[in-house]
Amino acid sequence: QQKVQQSPESLIVPEGGMASLNCTSSDRNVDYFWWYRQHSGKSPKMLMSIFSNGEKEEGRFTVHLNKASLHTSLHIRDSQPSDSALYLCAARSSSGSWQLIFGSGTQLTVMP
Amino acid sequence: EAAVTQSPRNKVAVTGGKVTLSCNQTNNHNNMYWYRQDTGHGLRLIHYSYGAGSTEKGDIPDGYKASRPSQENFSLILELATPSQTSVYFCASARLGVQDTQYFGPGTRLLVL
Repeated sequence: QQKVQQSPESLIVPEGGMASLNCTSSDRNVDYFWWYRQHSGKSPKMLMSIFSNGEKEEGRFTVHLNKASLHTSLHIRDSQPSDSALYLCAARSSSGSWQLIFGSGTQLTVMP
Repeated sequence: EAAVTQSPRNKVAVTGGKVTLSCNQTNNHNNMYWYRQDTGHGLRLIHYSYGAGSTEKGDIPDGYKASRPSQENFSLILELATPSQTSVYFCASARLGVQDTQYFGPGTRLLVL
């Protein structure tokens, strides 16, 4: 069973719309979360990280974290066709190894 | 952003052959990682390293070996390649802290016939 679950698997939004992506860890030892974006045929690039409860905003991107429920969400406002990509959530425990656990991703398509 | 390079970028191998994938980083990062990415599985960790001379098994190490001869270089070795190892392989590097981001190389597309 995947320790990091992402939903939905795929998402289609119109250009200018809001995209909301979800990620939950089933590992209670997880403390830190990252969101990566991977365009087709390219490597994953770190988009945002969040380590504390609450919200973090960078431009059109907002990330929320609820540590009690081990749930993080990524919201993209004013979505652009260039935002079309695979979005990967990754989590790490604050103790033990430096391994990242990745979810299977959400495939976002922004329709012009 | 951290610079991680991989070679080759594409590789066709025969079943039973030996394949070596190479990764180089120039940012003096301590930690390096090898992942494979297959549709529906996200990124799965094969081997990782905390520094020169060290290698550790990840979640799916069977059929793979790793070598970290220096701080900059980390190799993934398939001694006897099988078609099930057809995949895209990514190398990543990071500094030592638990809050440090992993930076990925461009990937190697491997086809085992």
